[in-house]
Amino acid sequence: DTGVSQNPRHKITKRGQNVTFRCDPISEHNRLYWYRQTLGQGPEFLTYFQNEAQLEKSRLLSDRFSAERPKGSFSTLEIQRTEQGDSAMYLCASSLGQGGRGYTFGSGTRLTVV
Amino acid sequence: KNEVEQSPQNLTAQEGEFITINCSYSVGISALHWLQQHPGGGIVSLFMLSSGKKKHGRLIATINIQEKHSSLHITASHPRDSAVYICAVRSDNQFYFGTGTSLTVIP
Repeated sequence: DTGVSQNPRHKITKRGQNVTFRCDPISEHNRLYWYRQTLGQGPEFLTYFQNEAQLEKSRLLSDRFSAERPKGSFSTLEIQRTEQGDSAMYLCASSLGQGGRGYTFGSGTRLTVV
Repeated sequence: KNEVEQSPQNLTAQEGEFITINCSYSVGISALHWLQQHPGGGIVSLFMLSSGKKKHGRLIATINIQEKHSSLHITASHPRDSAVYICAVRSDNQFYFGTGTSLTVIP
């Protein structure tokens, strides 16, 4: 297993376009998390899944953001009608249960909205 | 006010020094995490704590639930420890992150 994989690594898009990111977690991990990190700030929680069920969404998450994990394996995060403020690194992590020490993070997708 | 506060924001140490990074939080938590983020952006989970103390190699993490405070200690620091250390807490299925402590260890 090569860890948590995120694609694409970088995405540049025009304001108003929709974008979709993909996260492939470690195969035996049942929990998958999405975070957003802007420059100079700590990560911000967006949402998490246990298997295919989305158990929690951040209260700060706009309706333009939606995430799915249809078969309990990979997940997609879609941002509709992107805004410049959406420019950030989008990080995915996975864990088995509540994680213990076993949270594994992907390398992230860096989104730039121009 | 942020739910999670870290101090110091920046820290420079000489190789070999004992380092302490502090984290205070204001919400009830079910767990606290210490994360390490390298300059390339990759994040590694170091510890998850709900009570007491954990040790892994030269890293030690402690938590005091009553005082809502955690510390991350690095013994015999090394230049490869240079990174941003982030404290994160889980509260009511929400996650809150500190803004990180940027550590530079000088040879």
